[in-house]
This record gives sequence, structure tokens and C-alpha cells, in this order.
Amino acid sequence: KNEVEQSPQNLTAQEGEFITINCSYSVGISALHWLQQHPGGGIVSLFMLSSGKKKHGRLIATINIQEKHSSLHITASHPRDSAVYICAVRWSGGGADGLTFGKGTHLIIQP
Amino acid sequence: EAQVTQNPRYLITVTGKKLTVTCSQNMNHEYMSWYRQDPGLGLRQIYYSMNVEVTDKGDVPEGYKVSRKEKRNFPLILESPSPNQTSLYFCASSLKGDTMNYEQYFGPGTRLTVT
Repeated sequence: KNEVEQSPQNLTAQEGEFITINCSYSVGISALHWLQQHPGGGIVSLFMLSSGKKKHGRLIATINIQEKHSSLHITASHPRDSAVYICAVRWSGGGADGLTFGKGTHLIIQP
Repeated sequence: EAQVTQNPRYLITVTGKKLTVTCSQNMNHEYMSWYRQDPGLGLRQIYYSMNVEVTDKGDVPEGYKVSRKEKRNFPLILESPSPNQTSLYFCASSLKGDTMNYEQYFGPGTRLTVT
């Protein structure tokens, strides 16, 4: 079964640190999404990538199609960045037309 | 305001009592989908719809039904709920679904408990 693996599962860091969350997948994809789930449960879309790199404020997402790997970086981390970050992919080889999700990375930024 | 709404937000029910969770979006999106989220398993797709009157199974469709009679609405129906359907449910939509290269908009979630 095609899988999406995220690492680390849990990450605690101090305010101001540079954060990296990784996502690896098993076969070719047509799109990769990074999502943020707040402690209250709501989910928001951060990025959609099919190649290269995207930046929004302090967040940067990169993808390496050949290595089947994506990273989400947070610069100058802040306690309000504490959330679960979820990677999701759409496989390019057919099958159900939906997203397959990683299990998420639980990030805590301490003041 | 562009949004996906779900109702109810919280529901406690008993085994076998039919229920419907509504989902509505006001963005004229073609693609809508239902997911469930369980501890340790992450989000999993239940059903999706590429457009009106077009629905298909996701990864975990057993015990669920959906319909897409109008573009804006995509209700999730549990004909005979069982305790293993206790979960957090999310509805989501995007402009189109053919490539998934569009931002996903999620509803606020419905926490369902089946006793």
C-alpha cells in the first residue's frame, strides 16, 4: 500500500528556533499538501506543491520529486506555531482520486 | 466569507440510530470529500465527489453513504451507526479534483460518539 511517512512524530523546541518537518512518500505523486491543525481541531491548508519551493511569511515548503521527499521549515518559531502539521499527497498512478495523509507531526514551541 | 460548514459540531448517539452530518460550501467548488480522523491513524478518506451526481469510495467507505444532489451540499449518512464509527469527521472542498493541485478548504469538524 502506498504510504506517507512523516518525521519526527513529536517535536518540542524553544521560541526562535528553526524547525524542520519531513515528509516521505513511496511512489510518484501529482501534488503534495502541507496542512496545519490547531489545538482546537480546525485544519487549514498551508501549501500545495508539485515541484520546487514555496514561501509564505516564516513558512517554507520544499519538494524533491526524484527523492520523493518534502520538508516544511519554520523560521523564527513562535509559540503560536504550536500545532499538528500534516503532509498529504495525491498519487499519480491512479486509484481513488483523493488525498493520502501522513500521521502528522505534533509541534510544541515553548516560550 | 468563503467557508465550509458542518453540522452538527458535536453529536452523541446510540448504536443503530440513523444520522446525517451536513456539509455545505459557498465557493462553487466542484470537489468535495469526507474524512475521518482517529488517534494513531491520521486522516482517512471516506467518500469523495468530483461534481454533482458523481461520488466514489475513498479508503474507508464501509458503513457510510453520501449524496451530491447540489453543488454546494455533500451530506454524510450513517444508516446504522456503530461504536467503531466514533471519530472526528471533516468535510473538505476544492475548486476541482482532477489533479488535486488546488487548495483544500476544511470544515470545522464534527465530533461523533456512538455508544
